[in-house]
Amino acid sequence: GAVVSQHPSRVICKSGTSVKIECRSLDFQATTMFWYRQFPKQSLMLMATSNEGSKATYEQGVEKDKFLINHASLTLSTLTVTSAHPEDSSFYICSARAPRDSYEQYFGPGTRLTVT
Amino acid sequence: EDKVVQSPLSLVVHEGDTVTLNCSYEVTNFRSLLWYKQEKKAPTFLFMLTSSGIEKKSGRLSSILDKKELFSILNITATQTGDSAVYLCATQGYGGATNKLIFGTGTLLAVQP
Repeated sequence: GAVVSQHPSRVICKSGTSVKIECRSLDFQATTMFWYRQFPKQSLMLMATSNEGSKATYEQGVEKDKFLINHASLTLSTLTVTSAHPEDSSFYICSARAPRDSYEQYFGPGTRLTVT
Repeated sequence: EDKVVQSPLSLVVHEGDTVTLNCSYEVTNFRSLLWYKQEKKAPTFLFMLTSSGIEKKSGRLSSILDKKELFSILNITATQTGDSAVYLCATQGYGGATNKLIFGTGTLLAVQP
């Protein structure tokens, strides 16, 4: 149990376009999902916390208008990178927290975004 | 500002060696410390430590937390090439938004045959 999927696993897009990344909890309901970004040879940096049915909470320095987060259901959160630039190229990972496991987070496999 | 620092940043050992990875933290809201192993994709969970002085063990891996000195260590004995990965530690607070994980810088471990 406790499987989290992400789609797509890899995406290449052109500068100026928008890209949507999906994070799904497959066998549990996730009231909270987290979005992380990881640059090469660096650690995971939390971008935002996404709660079902409410606005996401963004970390300092993360532009909410650029990284749109929607947590419309208990099993799906989406991250949309708007007007992507090459510096947005990164590895994006989501994690999900189940209500019954107050502190356990389950990570998705990640999405490699390359902006050309 | 909350911070989690790991050392060393990278380490090269030979198969059979024992390694100790360090993680120190300064966070305002601390509930637990977690260790993850990251190969090419998302991190995989190793341990969650909440209490001081109680060693957690899984095969050749073990970990312990010192809440007084604010650090944790991860030991790997009889290392194998399959242990090569980035090892991440993270702290987690109590409730709500502080349930988020604050990750350390990571230690890149390379185990040579």
